[in-house]
Amino acid sequence: EVQLVQSGAEVKKPGESLKISCKGSGYSFSSYWIGWVRQMPGKGLELMGVIYPGDSDTRYSPSFQGQVTISADKSISTAYLQWISLKASDSAVYYCARRASSSEWFDPWGQGTLVTVSS
Amino acid sequence: DIQMTQSPSSVSASVGDRVTITCRASQGISTWLAWYQQKPGKAPRLLIYAASSLQSGVPSRFSGSGSGTDFTLTISSLQPEDAATYFCQQANSFPLTFGGGTKVEIK
Repeated sequence: EVQLVQSGAEVKKPGESLKISCKGSGYSFSSYWIGWVRQMPGKGLELMGVIYPGDSDTRYSPSFQGQVTISADKSISTAYLQWISLKASDSAVYYCARRASSSEWFDPWGQGTLVTVSS
Repeated sequence: DIQMTQSPSSVSASVGDRVTITCRASQGISTWLAWYQQKPGKAPRLLIYAASSLQSGVPSRFSGSGSGTDFTLTISSLQPEDAATYFCQQANSFPLTFGGGTKVEIK
C-alpha cells in the first residue's frame, strides 16, 4: 500500500524554526514528485512547492518562494518542509502528497501536520 | 497563475438527489483537471483525474466532465457519506492551483 506518514502536530512561537517531515512507503520514493500543500483554518488548498527526491529538483509556487525550504532524503524516503522564522500567519495544516507519475494531480496524501504559531 | 472558480460555494441536498458542482478555469486547460473530496479533519482524496477518469476505488455515482475552461463534478445519487468539501485543481501549468471549494451538506 502506498502511504505517506507525516510528523506530528507542532506548537511554536513566532521567530522559531521548524522542520516537518513526510515519510513514504510502499513505492519507489525516489521516482515520484512530492508536493506540499497548505490549508489555513477554514480555507482552501494552496500548493507550496514540489520536489523530486531522485535528484532533489525543487519548484516553488511564487507565493512561497523564499518563505519555506523543501528538501528530501531519498535514503530514508522522507521529504521535509522547513521554516527559519515562523510567523503567526504560518499557522495551518500542511499536507504532503505524491504527484502522479506523468501528470500533476496528487494521490495519495499524508494525514496532515497541524502547525500552530502563537506567542 | 490560472485562477479556478468553483460554484456554488455550498449546496444542501437530500439523500438520493443529483448534485452538480462547477469549476471554471481562467484560461483553457484542456482536460488537465482533478477533483478531490475532503471530509472534516481529513486529508483530501482524489476522486477524478483528467477531467473525467474515475480514480480506483471511488464509487461510480461520482463523475466528471468538461474541457477547456468549464468542468463539472456530478454526484448522481447523493449518499450520507458524501457530505464533504469538494475541490477542483488545474494540472495544466505550474503553479498548480485549486478552486475555493464547495461544501456539500445533507438535508
